[in-house]
Amino acid sequence: EAQVTQNPRYLITVTGKKLTVTCSQNMNHEYMSWYRQDPGLGLRQIYYSMNVEVTDKGDVPEGYKVSRKEKRNFPLILESPSPNQTSLYFCASRPTGGYRDEQYFGPGTRLTVT
Amino acid sequence: DQQVKQNSPSLSVQEGRISILNCDYTNSMFDYFLWYKKYPAEGPTFLISISSIKDKNEDGRFTVFLNKSAKHLSLHIVPSQPGDSAVYFCAASAGGGSNYKLTFGKGTLLTVNP
Repeated sequence: EAQVTQNPRYLITVTGKKLTVTCSQNMNHEYMSWYRQDPGLGLRQIYYSMNVEVTDKGDVPEGYKVSRKEKRNFPLILESPSPNQTSLYFCASRPTGGYRDEQYFGPGTRLTVT
Repeated sequence: DQQVKQNSPSLSVQEGRISILNCDYTNSMFDYFLWYKKYPAEGPTFLISISSIKDKNEDGRFTVFLNKSAKHLSLHIVPSQPGDSAVYFCAASAGGGSNYKLTFGKGTLLTVNP
């Protein structure tokens, strides 16, 4: 089954404790992206990657890092989480090329930073 | 500066009637528009899209209308079904769909009452 998977689905952590949220897709997509969803703010892009070893900032990259060493994986790293990073996070992927801009989203990771 | 606006946080309709969800945008560079549907505890899923060279696109019960001069698009669902109850996000991109950055609205919660 074609899908985007994220782990963990739920995470409660404390301020300053480094964490990684993993994202993996099995559709051989070149493009992957991370979003956060906050009440009243919709979905905002954090980082995206056009292909392996190619990453770029989205609208709200502060406090986050990403890496793209393999095509299928795009982990989101919070080196020193803060309470304002409490949010619902989504990973997405899509193939490059073509006209349609449909992105496939993972199920989400709910992060709470205390 | 919110470039994609969904001014109605919620909408309630009766089963069998028409649901109309609205979206306005300010960036004249946007030329591709999408609607995503999101159920609780799931990631957004692509619903329907339209390019700026069209003013209407249909897919079954779902029709999207684009009014470029007004920078306005709408999603019509006819007939509405209880399973359509979800949050609907409007999204837009520039660059003919080859630009992979999506800008999302805040979403509209649709409730379809049996």
